[in-house]
Amino acid sequence: EAGVAQSPRYKIIEKRQSVAFWCNPISGHATLYWYQQILGQGPKLLIQFQNNGVVDDSQLPKDRFSAERLKGVDSTLKIQPAKLEDSAVYLCASSLDQGLAYNEQFFGPGTRLTVL
Amino acid sequence: AQSVSQHNHHVILSEAASLELGCNYSYGGTVNLFWYVQYPGQHLQLLLKYFSGDPLVKGIKGFEAEFIKSKFSFNLRKPSVQWSDTAEYFCAVNADNQGGKLIFGQGTELSVKP
Repeated sequence: EAGVAQSPRYKIIEKRQSVAFWCNPISGHATLYWYQQILGQGPKLLIQFQNNGVVDDSQLPKDRFSAERLKGVDSTLKIQPAKLEDSAVYLCASSLDQGLAYNEQFFGPGTRLTVL
Repeated sequence: AQSVSQHNHHVILSEAASLELGCNYSYGGTVNLFWYVQYPGQHLQLLLKYFSGDPLVKGIKGFEAEFIKSKFSFNLRKPSVQWSDTAEYFCAVNADNQGGKLIFGQGTELSVKP
């Protein structure tokens, strides 16, 4: 079974530039999550999708971050404009359905973003 | 707001030593509890989870964790660590009324010396 795919794996940009990350969840998984992991901290949920609808985006900095999940499969996360404090690993995860906790979340390899 | 605290940032052990990693959470309601592991160069993966029933749960690779509700704790244990257990370990909590949202602790890096 193929895992969660993410690209790019690494990205270096200057502050005020824009950047986009892509995630392809495990086939058949209805729920998709984006987490931000700053060095030395645990992952923090940015946004949760159930199919193509947003379930929770309470911690997404909406003035600069946006995310979409068209057709309920792939998802993109965008930052525009980037700030130095956005340097982090961005993790995508998916789970089978309903966003229920007992459905294990499977994580992708992450995209490491460095903002200079 | 819910939070998760892991007591140790970095633990160094010799092979065959026993391991206990602390995890405490703050939330008064029903919780689901998880330990995730990230081996060097690999993805985060689930080690074990607790939802209900026996508070002592067993996971992969000989790990176990005990849920002590009165102490708001979910400590991870292994009787005898191996060099291959070198990894970062994350405790995570899900509140029963918040869908799949996980709140992670800051992680504990475990280094096992051969």
